[in-house]
Amino acid sequence: SQQGEEDPQALSIQEGENATMNCSYKTSINNLQWYRQNSGRGLVHLILIRSNEREKHSGRLRVTLDTSKKSSSLLITASRAADTASYFCATDGSDYKLSFGAGTTVTVRA
Amino acid sequence: DAGVIQSPRHEVTEMGQEVTLRCKPISGHNSLFWYRQTMMRGLELLIYFNNNVPIDDSGMPEDRFSAKMPNASFSTLKIQPSEPRDSAVYFCASSSGTEDTQYFGPGTRLTVL
Repeated sequence: SQQGEEDPQALSIQEGENATMNCSYKTSINNLQWYRQNSGRGLVHLILIRSNEREKHSGRLRVTLDTSKKSSSLLITASRAADTASYFCATDGSDYKLSFGAGTTVTVRA
Repeated sequence: DAGVIQSPRHEVTEMGQEVTLRCKPISGHNSLFWYRQTMMRGLELLIYFNNNVPIDDSGMPEDRFSAKMPNASFSTLKIQPSEPRDSAVYFCASSSGTEDTQYFGPGTRLTVL
């Protein structure tokens, strides 16, 4: 079953613009991760934020976590064509199991 | 590092045939996960192993699916007999026991005719 739910399902932006997507989850977590999947490829880990953290940065990525609202957001700044992909949030359960959401498909137009 | 290796990358078979998917995790990782991805159901965890032992197979759809991990560097997912509804992309992922990040292989695209 899916724990995380991403919003929106799809996003189309112009190159150079920022892209923001959200993830909501239902139960308590230890950490939340974001992954990227390019078409026809496996998932690639982007960033992990722990439950006691509120914000984390990695390059052009910024992730926030609000445990009181059980939600997280991923911001990609100054988007590039290469950022075109699907983005998934994943929440941890017990024994290192991850539950993935349905993903947000991001299209960056040149 | 070579990353997680899966084979074959593509498999086309006929209904009723046996299918075996293979995975080599990253060296030193002690957890291995098998996922299935479809448009309808998204990414589903089928089974995961820790130190070569199956820990949770509650995601395995039915008895037609089985998975083994005979050693730390090899795992198989077998479907026998295969059905058209098994058509999907199957991913293998591995992780170290000391971190939560999972590293995914490129996937096997299975088509059952």
